[in-house]
Amino acid sequence: AQTVTQSQPEMSVQEAETVTLSCTYDTSESDYYLFWYKQPPSRQMILVIRQEAYKQQNATENRFSVNFQKAAKSFSLKISDSQLGDAAMYFCAYRYAYSGGGADGLTFGKGTHLIIQP
Amino acid sequence: DTGVSQDPRHKITKRGQNVTFRCDPISEHNRLYWYRQTLGQGPEFLTYFQNEAQLEKSRLLSDRFSAERPKGSFSTLEIQRTEQGDSAMYLCASSPRQGVIYEQYFGPGTRLTVT
Repeated sequence: AQTVTQSQPEMSVQEAETVTLSCTYDTSESDYYLFWYKQPPSRQMILVIRQEAYKQQNATENRFSVNFQKAAKSFSLKISDSQLGDAAMYFCAYRYAYSGGGADGLTFGKGTHLIIQP
Repeated sequence: DTGVSQDPRHKITKRGQNVTFRCDPISEHNRLYWYRQTLGQGPEFLTYFQNEAQLEKSRLLSDRFSAERPKGSFSTLEIQRTEQGDSAMYLCASSPRQGVIYEQYFGPGTRLTVT
């Protein structure tokens, strides 16, 4: 079974600085998707960025980018020019590329609490 | 389109009672998922529907839990004979029929407290 590990329970960064959140995963599959979700306090989870495993190029969405290292099974999230609104729980998630066999649900890590210092 | 909605947002119940939660997915999303999130943890997958068919059930979904999605629209999750260990946030998500079909859109969740 696949597992997702986020080793940083909490991270703190000064506003306007850059922060990197770590995520490692374990899977025997070669085709899968990886995601970073943001969960603000008392608000619903929203997708920040996604990466298809077959793509070598790292995904980028405005101030958010990932460093995807397939061989190392590592998928870190970099947030540039941190803003107060970035404060939230961040979850790394994995999904097998094909349906069936329990693969349709996302497997999440335990999350990293990101604090933005003004 | 107002996104995925869930009702109620909060539910307090006594141990042994039955509770039912509702999820309305984004219209025309044919896939619907239920997750459970306990304090300090990431969401854990419970079950998945494609249209009205329940295709996957996690081992976390004990016999006291049942989910339905009649007519492939809204879904309900019922917990019978609730236990204190059922206290959690129950999240619903949906994903579209076409396009980026593996991308899941989450609702605000139903927070269940069993006393």
